[in-house]
Amino acid sequence: GQNIDQPTEMTATEGAIVQINCTYQTSGFNGLFWYQQHAGEAPTFLSYNVLDGLEEKGRFSSFLSRSKGYSYLLLKELQMKDSASYLCAVRGRNSNSGYALNFGKGTSLLVTP
Amino acid sequence: KAGVTQTPRYLIKTRGQQVTLSCSPISGHRSVSWYQQTPGQGLQFLFEYFSETQRNKGNFPGRFSGRQFSNSRSEMNVSTLELGDSALYLCASSSLGVAETQYFGPGTRLLVL
Repeated sequence: GQNIDQPTEMTATEGAIVQINCTYQTSGFNGLFWYQQHAGEAPTFLSYNVLDGLEEKGRFSSFLSRSKGYSYLLLKELQMKDSASYLCAVRGRNSNSGYALNFGKGTSLLVTP
Repeated sequence: KAGVTQTPRYLIKTRGQQVTLSCSPISGHRSVSWYQQTPGQGLQFLFEYFSETQRNKGNFPGRFSGRQFSNSRSEMNVSTLELGDSALYLCASSSLGVAETQYFGPGTRLLVL
């Protein structure tokens, strides 16, 4: 089976840096994704890691350690519009032996002035 | 390119009824995956279709079914609706299936009374 854990809520100040952690257990690991979801909207793709290390994309960076089953999403220079839910998703084999994208329950980030 | 579209956006049904939801993927994408999102369980994988074939399915009862047409458009059907089926149903498309980044539609919000 698959198990994905991330904090339920986080609060940070505008202009600051925040790190959202994700730990996972999966069989047949084949990639980790981060998505952003604003209230009432669809998830939008932020980043993808399949090899260990850091991927940087503007104000957003994502890190992966496959041996530790651990990833984090780093958001720099926080803006009010970054207030959203951040979803960690792991691609791995599910109980039906196919590959599926399984999501954590999301971390609700509140950015305060 | 136009994004993923879903119809209808909102739906109210009563217990015991059935419902059909539609998803049109991004042009050129042949894979469509369906997810159920609820506050308690988060995003859960329902099934994936690729070139008109169900390629993978999650752990949902047989009341949940789907199909894909030759133009890659997909439909999802839920029969004998239960109150617990109230959720946001999201579809996502990708060019090669779960192996590639998935792009989400706006979702259909289903309320079962």
